[in-house]
Amino acid sequence: EPEVTQTPSHQVTQMGQEVILRCVPISNHLYFYWYRQILGQKVEFLVSFYNNEISEKSEIFDDQFSVERPDGSNFTLKIRSTKLEDSAMYFCASSESAGAWDEQFFGPGTRLTVL
Amino acid sequence: AQSVSQHNHHVILSEAASLELGCNYSYGGTVNLFWYVQYPGQHLQLLLKYFSGDPLVKGIKGFEAEFIKSKFSFNLRKPSVQWSDTAEYFCAVNPSGAGSYQLTFGKGTKLSVIP
Repeated sequence: EPEVTQTPSHQVTQMGQEVILRCVPISNHLYFYWYRQILGQKVEFLVSFYNNEISEKSEIFDDQFSVERPDGSNFTLKIRSTKLEDSAMYFCASSESAGAWDEQFFGPGTRLTVL
Repeated sequence: AQSVSQHNHHVILSEAASLELGCNYSYGGTVNLFWYVQYPGQHLQLLLKYFSGDPLVKGIKGFEAEFIKSKFSFNLRKPSVQWSDTAEYFCAVNPSGAGSYQLTFGKGTKLSVIP
């Protein structure tokens, strides 16, 4: 069964460093998402991406964050200058088409630890 | 903005017991409703979803949920749990017809089933 994959599974970085989290969505999917979950808190939406541009973003997704689909398979989340409060589990998701009824398939997550 | 409340943080049941996990949402308009499950060490995966029609929705693995509009609730049920249902369960919503596909999640309920 096709699945969303994410690398790395765990990333440790120093405050102020840039990190890139990578995701490979399911191959025929067109909509891509990033969510995050700070330990003990809710899963929160960050951004959605369709047709090579951001379609929605939350208040969390400020200028420190960016997303990119650099090739036909990868979807990346970059945090330019990490802060302690960016420590969280980051989930990538994808869905087949642009519809709220379409299931979002989630990856296993990348645990980001900022020291 | 919408919000989701899951009142039970951790539920512990014996096998064969019946399960009901509460989910209430807050939003002024029509919503689409979802239950996701995360088994230990695995991805978030969709259990069931409601968009319209019959408010009693059946999902995978014997789960069902009932949408009660007047109570803003979408409680998850299973008549007889198994040890393999041990997982974390997340209720989620997105606003229907608003062109927004972001999911707003509850905090999750951890279910432990004792053999």
